[in-house]
Amino acid sequence: DAMVIQNPRYQVTQFGKPVTLSCSQTLNHNVMYWYQQKSSQAPKLLFHYYDKDFNNEADTPDNFQSRRPNTSFCFLDIRSPGLGDAAMYLCATSRDWRTGVDEQYFGPGTRLTVT
Amino acid sequence: GENVEQHPSTLSVQEGDSAVIKCTYSDSASNYFPWYKQELGKRPQLIIDIRSNVGEKKDQRIAVTLNKTAKHFSLHITETQPEDSAVYFCAAAQGGSEKLVFGKGTKLTVNP
Repeated sequence: DAMVIQNPRYQVTQFGKPVTLSCSQTLNHNVMYWYQQKSSQAPKLLFHYYDKDFNNEADTPDNFQSRRPNTSFCFLDIRSPGLGDAAMYLCATSRDWRTGVDEQYFGPGTRLTVT
Repeated sequence: GENVEQHPSTLSVQEGDSAVIKCTYSDSASNYFPWYKQELGKRPQLIIDIRSNVGEKKDQRIAVTLNKTAKHFSLHITETQPEDSAVYFCAAAQGGSEKLVFGKGTKLTVNP
């Protein structure tokens, strides 16, 4: 059964046209993460939520925003995509780390193409 | 902050041989060390992890060793098979943090 679901799996957008990627989870995990992964590179953390507390990485561009309306869903908004934003975007979840650091479960990813 | 170095960046072995991938970390407070396998176009999947209170962990053909004093940990795959071909990432969790810091990855190719 799918535990971390990402939609769409493939997204094509035009340069400068806002785009939203979605992630949902059936694990009831407290923590949700968004990563950007470019070809032949490691996943790069953009931000994460602990419940509703938003934690931005210092080097994440302002062009990237996120929303978490409830425990199950999290969205990544790219306000004005540039060609350099073409990448795989991975959502991940984990349980309450305050009881012990735990495995991150990754979704299948959304492949974003910017034309 | 934490920094994770991973070597080698590429590794090619013959089927049946062993493969070893090594990582070092900088933050002595890090206490959780997972290894992820990522096949082309797919999600990273956890294959094994180890916590700082354990020196070695094994799961069938896969083992991980941790040396806290030297701040390094290694992935060992024995009796490699072509389906082991993938990119492997090590990671470390900073002490008191839910964030993982990833190594740059090792592309493993197992030749039949």
